[in-house]
Amino acid sequence: NAGVTQTPKFQVLKTGQSMTLQCAQDMNHNSMYWYRQDPGMGLRLIYYSASEGTTDKGEVPNGYNVSRLNKREFSLRLESAAPSQTSVYFCASSDVHTGELFFGEGSRLTVL
Amino acid sequence: EDQVTQSPEALRLQEGESSSLNCSYTVSGLRGLFWYRQDPGKGPEFLFTLYSAGEEKEKERLKATLTKKESFLHITAPKPEDSATYLCARGGADSSYKLIFGSGTRLLVRP
Repeated sequence: NAGVTQTPKFQVLKTGQSMTLQCAQDMNHNSMYWYRQDPGMGLRLIYYSASEGTTDKGEVPNGYNVSRLNKREFSLRLESAAPSQTSVYFCASSDVHTGELFFGEGSRLTVL
Repeated sequence: EDQVTQSPEALRLQEGESSSLNCSYTVSGLRGLFWYRQDPGKGPEFLFTLYSAGEEKEKERLKATLTKKESFLHITAPKPEDSATYLCARGGADSSYKLIFGSGTRLLVRP
């Protein structure tokens, strides 16, 4: 049982390049999330998808787009990467009954 | 504005030395208070959810408590393997999906 799987685990981009972070969960959860984690700032919600077919902005959505491809998969796209987007990105899914978040292992992105 | 503040930022303990971590939060519209543990290079791992003042939950050496304005994570007789960053989060006032996280307490337990 893999839980939440993110790819890639590491990525280096140049300013202006684009990329997509992939996330898949095998726990049959309805809700999925993308967070970024920066030193001293905690986890901040970028976008979330309460259920298949819906997406909503979180606290820091600027510069990002998301796609809920199906119930299992939720991707995060950076159209034109900026150094301020250097961060560790976490995907998560949640159990509708408990609200408990299950996180992936993170994707470490550096934008030069 | 929803806010979560954790203290201290870092805590060093000797093995067996009990202590508490604090999480204070803005009061309005609380939809759950969550504790997570995060090991270096890993994603956070769920520990507890608390919903109402007076509620307590325990797991091994950890006990989480909740009042109307803050939550405590009590660590009794910690071991080196308890070393991690402990994150507190509250459910958002306008949406239970929008968890607001604190910046965490880095705990180091020395043998």
